[in-house]
Amino acid sequence: QVQLVQSGAEVKKPGASVKVSCKASGYTFTIYGVSWVRQAPGQGLEWMGWISTYNDNTNYAQNLQDRITMTTDTSTSTAFMELRGLRSDDTAVYYCARVPASYLYYFDYWGQGTLVTVSS
Amino acid sequence: EIVMTQSPATLSVSPGERATLSCRASLSVSTNLAWYQQKPGQAPRLLIYGASTRATGIPVRFSGSGSGTEFTLTISSLQSEDFAVYYCQQYNNWPPASFGQGTKVEIK
Repeated sequence: QVQLVQSGAEVKKPGASVKVSCKASGYTFTIYGVSWVRQAPGQGLEWMGWISTYNDNTNYAQNLQDRITMTTDTSTSTAFMELRGLRSDDTAVYYCARVPASYLYYFDYWGQGTLVTVSS
Repeated sequence: EIVMTQSPATLSVSPGERATLSCRASLSVSTNLAWYQQKPGQAPRLLIYGASTRATGIPVRFSGSGSGTEFTLTISSLQSEDFAVYYCQQYNNWPPASFGQGTKVEIK
């Protein structure tokens, strides 16, 4: 069965970086894209960006593009999201999600989420 | 950027009753719309894509309709496990993939 398993919770200081991993199983990793979505406490869902697992093409949300990098390791079927220059308003649960195709840009399977807390 | 607006913000419904949730897009998104369910402490779950196609394993009591700018998610007879927050998301014009702000379905 399809599974996306994310790395554990992180606590970071303002200005630091965080790198969250998302290990896929149960399907051919390079056929589906991966997106990242975050959710601040008590808030809605915010799309962060997308990466093609086939050729590493990326699209990032405009408000994050200077601070975010998405990568993949096809040898381990793992996607990564790195966010730099962390601020208190980056405190959120970060989700990875599978994207069926670039023209079918919805999210059919989700990771369990990774809580990132930014606090001095 | 297409803005998605959901209404109402909160819907109070008794178990066994019908729930109707609305989602409006600021521009036409054709039928490129998805619905998700999120329970507290859990990741969202895909319910509907293509405005009306149920995702794998989703009960038939969930149905979606609409096209263009107006969409509806209907839960025909609410079960206890259906009380949650529901989000719509357009994927006609991306990036970005824009979500609505959510509708919370609570027990009346």
